Amino acid sequence: KQEVTQIPAALSVPEGENLVLNCSFTDSAIYNLQWFRQDPGKGLTSLLLIQSSQREQTSGRLNASLDKSSGRSTLYIAASQPGDSATYLCAVCGYSTLTFGKGTMLLVSP
Amino acid sequence: DAGITQSPRHKVTETGTPVTLRCHQTENHRYMYWYRQDPGHGLRLIHYSYGVKDTDKGEVSDGYSVSRSKTEDFLLTLESATSSQTSVYFCAISENGRSYQPQHFGDGTRLSIL
Repeated sequence: KQEVTQIPAALSVPEGENLVLNCSFTDSAIYNLQWFRQDPGKGLTSLLLIQSSQREQTSGRLNASLDKSSGRSTLYIAASQPGDSATYLCAVCGYSTLTFGKGTMLLVSP
Repeated sequence: DAGITQSPRHKVTETGTPVTLRCHQTENHRYMYWYRQDPGHGLRLIHYSYGVKDTDKGEVSDGYSVSRSKTEDFLLTLESATSSQTSVYFCAISENGRSYQPQHFGDGTRLSIL
């Protein structure tokens, strides 16, 4: 059974810092990996999707990498802003299942 | 905006009562999903639908039933609510038709069973 772990569970940084969120998974037979953002009291918003054949995806200040063989993905946020404060979840898509991590709660202070 | 509306947004009810949550989409996507989100467990799939009257079970389907009589509406029913079903429920849709990959989520229904 696929297990997805996100480290750290919570992170607090001052505005302007570059930061990295980590996601690890136990079964490397994946179809793709997706990063989501969740604001308090809201649903999930898809940020980036990396296909299993890809190494990374970029969207603005966000860059996600995937190392399928080692079962790891990272989400890099450049020049963090208070508006980036949210919970970030990674979801690993297998051939018939989607498994979510428990998320990293990020707080960016002005 | 994927046009997903969940109702009600909040509900408090008593153990043993039936509860129905509604998910409405405006864009006629084929795949719709119901998830629950609990502290310490993350998001878990309850049921999903791949068309009108076509549904299948997810990871935590016990105690839940679903129905989809129209493309735009996906209903989740708790026949006899229990306190363990207190949770935040999310509906989601998939744009690209992949059966197990939701991409857009509603804002959730916070359900409390007393």
